[in-house]
Amino acid sequence: QLQESGPGLVKPSETLSLTCSVSSGSISSSNYFWGWVRQPPGKGLEWIGSVYFSGRGSYSPSLSGRATIFTDTSRNQFSLRLTSVTAADTAVYYCARISWIIWGLDVWGRGTAVSVSS
Amino acid sequence: QSALSQPPSASGSPGQSVTISCTGSSTDIGGYNYVSWYQHHPGKAPRLILYEVFKRPSGVPDRFSGSKSGNTASLTVSGLQTDDEGDYYCSSHAGSNSLVFGGGTSLTVL
Repeated sequence: QLQESGPGLVKPSETLSLTCSVSSGSISSSNYFWGWVRQPPGKGLEWIGSVYFSGRGSYSPSLSGRATIFTDTSRNQFSLRLTSVTAADTAVYYCARISWIIWGLDVWGRGTAVSVSS
Repeated sequence: QSALSQPPSASGSPGQSVTISCTGSSTDIGGYNYVSWYQHHPGKAPRLILYEVFKRPSGVPDRFSGSKSGNTASLTVSGLQTDDEGDYYCSSHAGSNSLVFGGGTSLTVL
């Protein structure tokens, strides 16, 4: 129901851009936030942030303002933009639907691997 | 916003029970009853198995149960099966529409 897409390789200092296509349900639903989670190699899951259909976003402080998540309601998609990437941003990136009623991620994409390397 | 603390590994024999802890603070686990648990098999999408501390989504067997005391939440898997092997993560609402995850626990069924 959620499918990530984007380049698998990004150069250091450049911007990582990923898109999540939602095939079941509307991204304009007021019941959900839409978010991104990543898993660096050998490490656990890390919360990146989320966006509401209104455009209101919330982000992990650990990313120091480098992340932006935005919606495209005409395409039923939402996207992640991460600027000034370094090798530490190498990870599998997952998009997910967050039900704010339970504050749980109830639908996930299968993830897409992104490597930051020159 | 620090990651929640989980033991890196846990194990049990088939049929036994195992409990995995998840420790946070008063600004996440202690402040909200919005603790979730996820099962993650490598190469697959994580799966929500518990939400709001102890509630199970449709299709999750009742062998999975949850509880919370203070700043610590726990996941118990009873009647261990080989399919239960994998990584388990907790998460908690942390205010301001944000979430925080635990570091993950690798469960081995011996």
